[in-house]
Amino acid sequence: AQSVTQLGSHVSVSEGALVLLRCNYSSSVPPYLFWYVQYPNQGLQLLLKYTSAATLVKGINGFEAEFKKSETSFHLTKPSAHMSDAAEYFCAVSENLNSGYSTLTFGKGTMLLVSP
Amino acid sequence: GAGVSQSPSNKVTEKGKDVELRCDPISGHTALYWYRQRLGQGLEFLIYFQGNSAPDKSGLPSDRFSAERTGESVSTLTIQRTQQEDSAVYLCASSLAPVTPNTEAFFGQGTRLTVV
Repeated sequence: AQSVTQLGSHVSVSEGALVLLRCNYSSSVPPYLFWYVQYPNQGLQLLLKYTSAATLVKGINGFEAEFKKSETSFHLTKPSAHMSDAAEYFCAVSENLNSGYSTLTFGKGTMLLVSP
Repeated sequence: GAGVSQSPSNKVTEKGKDVELRCDPISGHTALYWYRQRLGQGLEFLIYFQGNSAPDKSGLPSDRFSAERTGESVSTLTIQRTQQEDSAVYLCASSLAPVTPNTEAFFGQGTRLTVV
């Protein structure tokens, strides 16, 4: 089975600082990887996804992530944090179910805190 | 509809009572998923529907949990004889079919269930 590990349940940055949220995966096959964001009292929103077309993936709100096969990582970055980026971020890998369909396996999430 | 809709948004119930959680997927989305998000945990896959059939129920935590779906629309997750450990946010997601590893899933805002 595939799995996702997010290092750090909480990450604190100052406004304008670099954001780095870490995600490592385990997969026996080439993975499809996703980052979702969850704002308070809202559902999950897709930030970006890796589907093997390019190792550097750009998403919404200035976020990007780089797939590194050698490190089995898919870390999320943003050059300059904004107060509105404060939210919980989930890394996920697509996994084939026994039925032949796919679902998402999520990490435990990282809460991003942005201070003025 | 414009997005995935879940109701109620919040539910407080007494231990031992039954609860029903409802999900209205995006119109035209034949795939529907239920996830559970417990405090400090990632999203836990519960069940997947393709149309009104559930090819994978492996994530349901016990026989107190059941789900059904009417055609390719509304789904209901039922928890019988609720326990305190059932307290969580229950998220529903839908996606277009056929479901492939890189298919985007759209999430509802969730139902926050509290068992007292």
